[in-house]
Amino acid sequence: EDQVTQSPEALRLQEGESSSLNCSYTVSGLRGLFWYRQDPGKGPEFLFTLYSAGEEKEKERLKATLTKKESFLHITAPKPEDSATYLCAVRVNTGFQKLVFGTGTRLLVSP
Amino acid sequence: DSGVTQTPKHLITATGQRVTLRCSPRSGDLSVYWYQQSLDQGLQFLIQYYNGEERAKGNILERFSAQQFPDLHSELNLSSLELGDSALYFCASSVAGVEVNEQFFGPGTRLTVL
Repeated sequence: EDQVTQSPEALRLQEGESSSLNCSYTVSGLRGLFWYRQDPGKGPEFLFTLYSAGEEKEKERLKATLTKKESFLHITAPKPEDSATYLCAVRVNTGFQKLVFGTGTRLLVSP
Repeated sequence: DSGVTQTPKHLITATGQRVTLRCSPRSGDLSVYWYQQSLDQGLQFLIQYYNGEERAKGNILERFSAQQFPDLHSELNLSSLELGDSALYFCASSVAGVEVNEQFFGPGTRLTVL
């Protein structure tokens, strides 16, 4: 069964304290990995798509990387406004394509 | 603002009732996806429509159904509601049909079944 596991479940950082979030997956044939940010009570907001091992994408303080079994979302010098839940999803093909989401990492950045 | 709209924002109803959730995709997007998000299960894919036709079906219960209209807006119908159906329901849209690419999510409808 296709599975996506995110760790840690929750992370508390001080402003400026860099860290990484992990997304590991067991899928039969990865066809893309997606990162989303979700603020409380709102819909997920698209951040990145990664397609192959070794690929990296950057946006402001965020950098996403991909290996054959996992992806990392690195947050450099975070600010309080980076506080959100970060969701990882993999695109799988089970007769049709769909996204399988992890349960997310809740990030809180304190000033 | 993703450009995807959903109504209503909140819905409170009783067990056994039927409700309809509405979604309008971003301009130019032909695909609409429905997801259910509960506290313990995360985002679960329900169903996808592409240009009016059902394209893919996920973990959608038989009590639930959806359709996409000629103007590309979509409705998700939930019937014989149970307490466990309480959740956030999100609609997302994308340009693509077969290839699942970046999806843009609406603000969601929070359904509470009492």
